[in-house]
Amino acid sequence: ETGVTQTPRHLVMGMTNKKSLKCEQHLGHNAMYWYKQSAKKPLELMFVYNFKEQTENNSVPSRFSPECPNSSHLFLHLHTLQPEDSALYLCASRRTGGPTNTGELFFGEGSRLTVL
Amino acid sequence: DAKTTQPPSMDCAEGRAANLPCNHSTISGNEYVYWYRQIHSQGPQYIIHGLKNNETNEMASLIITEDRKSSTLILPHATLRDTAVYYCIVRCTPPGDSGGGADGLTFGKGTHLIIQP
Repeated sequence: ETGVTQTPRHLVMGMTNKKSLKCEQHLGHNAMYWYKQSAKKPLELMFVYNFKEQTENNSVPSRFSPECPNSSHLFLHLHTLQPEDSALYLCASRRTGGPTNTGELFFGEGSRLTVL
Repeated sequence: DAKTTQPPSMDCAEGRAANLPCNHSTISGNEYVYWYRQIHSQGPQYIIHGLKNNETNEMASLIITEDRKSSTLILPHATLRDTAVYYCIVRCTPPGDSGGGADGLTFGKGTHLIIQP
């Protein structure tokens, strides 16, 4: 248990569906991240939010739409996805700043997405 | 952030020490070495980090060479539950992030450590 909760853990959707992934942390962290992990590939950083503001978008297609309503919640809205978007989507969070901060990223268990 | 090189896979017998090497020959003076691991189908888990001194915690030890161009993660008594992919990452942002930055970590392919019974 890392303190970062992702729902749903598994999702199957068709290419015309609209769905959302949710990430929640109550660790007092201010930075939140979405990563994608496709089969046999390294983790790819998708989006970074710091104090609710998006600070990084790594050329992610617009069919992935992130939302960060507050520092504890992060969503990834999905629409008109392709089968190659099937992957494990991981959320992470951490605190920035402070002299004793280790910079450690806390990851959730991930949401396994299958696009048919 | 400096590039790292790790062997793609390693085997280790249960109960023995697992020594995972990482090469980071282009590391600069303000870059830290971080280790994470990912057990199958779970999110990565932080293990340890260091700048230039050797570090030890309840999970592992980190040995950094004097020239800082390579490091070794040591799991002193490996168990079957230590089977995972281990990532060595070098990043320039100090842990305290005095600038308030929130840069994400860049993961490579890591080393798949298999603990044999």
